[in-house]
Amino acid sequence: EVQLEQSGAEVKKPGESLKISCKGSGYSFSTYWIGWVRQMPGKGLEWMGIIYPGDSDTRYSPSFQGQVTISADKSISTAYLQWSSLMASDTAMYYCARGTSGITRIEFWGQGTLVTVSS
Amino acid sequence: QSALTQPASVSGSPGQSITISCTGTSSDVGGYNYVSWYQHHPGEAPKLIIFDVNNRPSGVSNRFSGSKSGNTASLTISGLQAEDEGDYYCNSYTSSRIPVFGGGTKLTVV
Repeated sequence: EVQLEQSGAEVKKPGESLKISCKGSGYSFSTYWIGWVRQMPGKGLEWMGIIYPGDSDTRYSPSFQGQVTISADKSISTAYLQWSSLMASDTAMYYCARGTSGITRIEFWGQGTLVTVSS
Repeated sequence: QSALTQPASVSGSPGQSITISCTGTSSDVGGYNYVSWYQHHPGEAPKLIIFDVNNRPSGVSNRFSGSKSGNTASLTISGLQAEDEGDYYCNSYTSSRIPVFGGGTKLTVV
């Protein structure tokens, strides 16, 4: 059974750093694209970026380029999303998602990680 | 790379049919047959209901169907049921080699 298990909710202060994770199981982690999707409170889904764990090929949506870093450690089947300096506007639910047929569709999602940034 | 355009909300009565449009450009919707649709209920992970424009994953009701014409894709839900209420998002592969979502449509079954 394919599963994506995300790390737990985080409460951080502006300016702090953060790294959240997404551990895949039940499939060959290296051979499927993993993406990160943001949902701000009351707003829609947004692609932040995607990574192919097999060779770490990483692509960012223009709005997120330079704002976050996406990485993966295929040895432990885990993808990461990190911030070096959080802002209040980073408060959101973050989902990881596994692509099928490249990244043309998403059949498997993590349960979501709620990140709250507040002073 | 802008979000695909969806109506903010649609509504229908039980048993009726509704259609949600998703308009993009020749760099996304119009350029690829890789449009997918997701149903999203608050507090849950999104659920794939249509992929590759008009294909249903196993287990998804045949009341859901998809189509595309030019730069606009559409999701039709027939025989509306109360459980269909929720948010619906289209998604397309793009020439930037990264997908893009639509802005989302809130479906109300009245």
